[in-house]
Amino acid sequence: AQSVTQLDSHVSVSEGTPVLLRCNYSSSYSPSLFWYVQHPNKGLQLLLKYTSAATLVKGINGFEAEFKKSETSFHLTKPSAHMSDAAEYFCVVIPEDGSQGNLIFGKGTKLSVKP
Amino acid sequence: DTAVSQTPKYLVTQMGNDKSIKCEQNLGHDTMYWYKQDSKKFLKIMFSYNNKELIINETVPNRFSPKSPDKAHLNLHINSLELGDSAVYFCASSQGGVDTQYFGPGTRLTVL
Repeated sequence: AQSVTQLDSHVSVSEGTPVLLRCNYSSSYSPSLFWYVQHPNKGLQLLLKYTSAATLVKGINGFEAEFKKSETSFHLTKPSAHMSDAAEYFCVVIPEDGSQGNLIFGKGTKLSVKP
Repeated sequence: DTAVSQTPKYLVTQMGNDKSIKCEQNLGHDTMYWYKQDSKKFLKIMFSYNNKELIINETVPNRFSPKSPDKAHLNLHINSLELGDSAVYFCASSQGGVDTQYFGPGTRLTVL
């Protein structure tokens, strides 16, 4: 069965410093991977997705993620954190039997940004 | 215009009651979903539905039932509410497969 593991439940950075949110996946074939963001008391918004095209995926708000098959990783990065980036981030995979597109979510990483 | 909308945003009710949450999407998508987010922020699929097939997560109690009056709506009915049903429920829609899912704003259900 496919799954994703978010290695950090909480990441704290200072404004203007780089952000790294780590995600590893398990899959017997090339998966479809996503990062979603949830701001406090808000719904979920897609940041970016990987579906076997370019391994470096650029998303909204300056975020990007790199698919590394050899490391089974899909880490999310941003060169410079902004206060508005403080939110919960979810790494997501679509299971092997993806005909209905059911998403499997990681447990989330809470990003805090200090002034 | 909101792409995926849910009503109500907040729902507070007593144990044992029956309640419904409505979801509507104006994106013309074929597939709609319900997810549950627990108090630890963990999100889990409950149902996915298109006009051909309903797929139910096996862990979902049969007190929960999705109802789709048309392609743009997938409502969630919950019978005999229990304390453990308290959570945030998200509706989503997509064209199916690996296409991007668009989420509604969520409905926070509190069972007293």
